[in-house]
Amino acid sequence: EAEVAQSPRYKITEKSQAVAFWCDPISGHATLYWYRQILGQGPELLVQFQDESVVDDSQLPKDRFSAERLKGVDSTLKIQPAELGDSAMYLCASSSSDRGYEKLFFGSGTQLSVL
Amino acid sequence: KQEVTQIPAALSVPEGENLVLNCSFTDSAIYNLQWFRQDPGKGLTSLLLIQSSQREQTSGRLNASLDKSSGRSTLYIAASQPGDSATYLCAVPFRNNNDMRFGAGTRLTVKP
Repeated sequence: EAEVAQSPRYKITEKSQAVAFWCDPISGHATLYWYRQILGQGPELLVQFQDESVVDDSQLPKDRFSAERLKGVDSTLKIQPAELGDSAMYLCASSSSDRGYEKLFFGSGTQLSVL
Repeated sequence: KQEVTQIPAALSVPEGENLVLNCSFTDSAIYNLQWFRQDPGKGLTSLLLIQSSQREQTSGRLNASLDKSSGRSTLYIAASQPGDSATYLCAVPFRNNNDMRFGAGTRLTVKP
């Protein structure tokens, strides 16, 4: 069964360093999402792509976070500089539709710890 | 604004019990509602998707119902097993896209 691939699985970094996460969605899924999940809470959307275009990044802290999906396939989420409060699980998801009709498929996530 | 609440936050039951997890949402104008399972330190797995025109969906021992007018959904798990231990989250789309709004989840423990 096709899966959403994410790497790395875990990332430990020091405050003020740069970190990057990678996601490869299910083949053919045009819609890609990055979510952040703080322990004990549900995921919250950071950014949504439709192909290579950003559909919604209203919740993305743009002073330190950036996301790209240059060829409309895989995607990278970057944080620079990392802060202690960025420690969380970063989840990538994909869907065949951007209209809320289809299931979301999530990757295994990247657990980020900022020291 | 769409807010999603899940009750209880945690639940512990002995193996074999039938149980119900609850989800409520404030804006009833939704396309669908999804139930997810999350194991510790892992991503989310979609369990059931109920379209707004449907009242319920079933998959094996799982049954999810949706009452849009009252802003509620329930996930029924029959004959619970230790392998069902996980956090169960419900989510609804916010606005006309897949910006899913999640509840905080119910952490289920099934004791052998």
